[in-house]
Amino acid sequence: DGGITQSPKYLFRKEGQNVTLSCEQNLNHDAMYWYRQDPGQGLRLIYYSQIVNDFQKGDIAEGYSVSREKKESFPLTVTSAQKNPTAFYLCASSIDRRPLLTGELFFGEGSRLTVL
Amino acid sequence: KNEVEQSPQNLTAQEGEFITINCSYSVGISALHWLQQHPGGGIVSLFMLSSGKKKHGRLIATINIQEKHSSLHITASHPRDSAVYICAVHTGKLIFGQGTTLQVKP
Repeated sequence: DGGITQSPKYLFRKEGQNVTLSCEQNLNHDAMYWYRQDPGQGLRLIYYSQIVNDFQKGDIAEGYSVSREKKESFPLTVTSAQKNPTAFYLCASSIDRRPLLTGELFFGEGSRLTVL
Repeated sequence: KNEVEQSPQNLTAQEGEFITINCSYSVGISALHWLQQHPGGGIVSLFMLSSGKKKHGRLIATINIQEKHSSLHITASHPRDSAVYICAVHTGKLIFGQGTTLQVKP
């Protein structure tokens, strides 16, 4: 079945460590996104990518990095520069090449990162 | 003040009740999404609408562009409807509401 796969589902990190969250989609979607969800807040956009080898910063990109070497894959690295990384991270994709404007979003199951 | 406000934040209902969740926004939009986040954390898209009304099974979504308001209705609610319901608006970017946590008791 087509969909978005995020891994790991749960991740624990010590302060000062970088961690990478995986996001893979087999929907043949051009656009992919990373969102962060904190309790009591709406989802906030970290990075998005419209096409392979291109990506743009979202509203809260500081302390994060991404790559888009393949259409199917959009990994997110949470670096040690991210001051408050404990959160729930959601990856999404859209068939629309005009991200954020129109089109249905498909989400993964999320990754919960906890910094110890 | 948030650009997208949902009410109520939390809602408890008995099985079979009719449920309404509201979303008000303060910006011009091209479309509005209703999303469902199940207890495991994954999110599914329920509706995307830019005018009028859409229905899918027991779910109905309406939008009034002039009043900048949308509602999500659930008829004959069931415990499996327990989830967080999220409103998101397209403004040139997507802005998400904080979500409404619904618990339906048997």
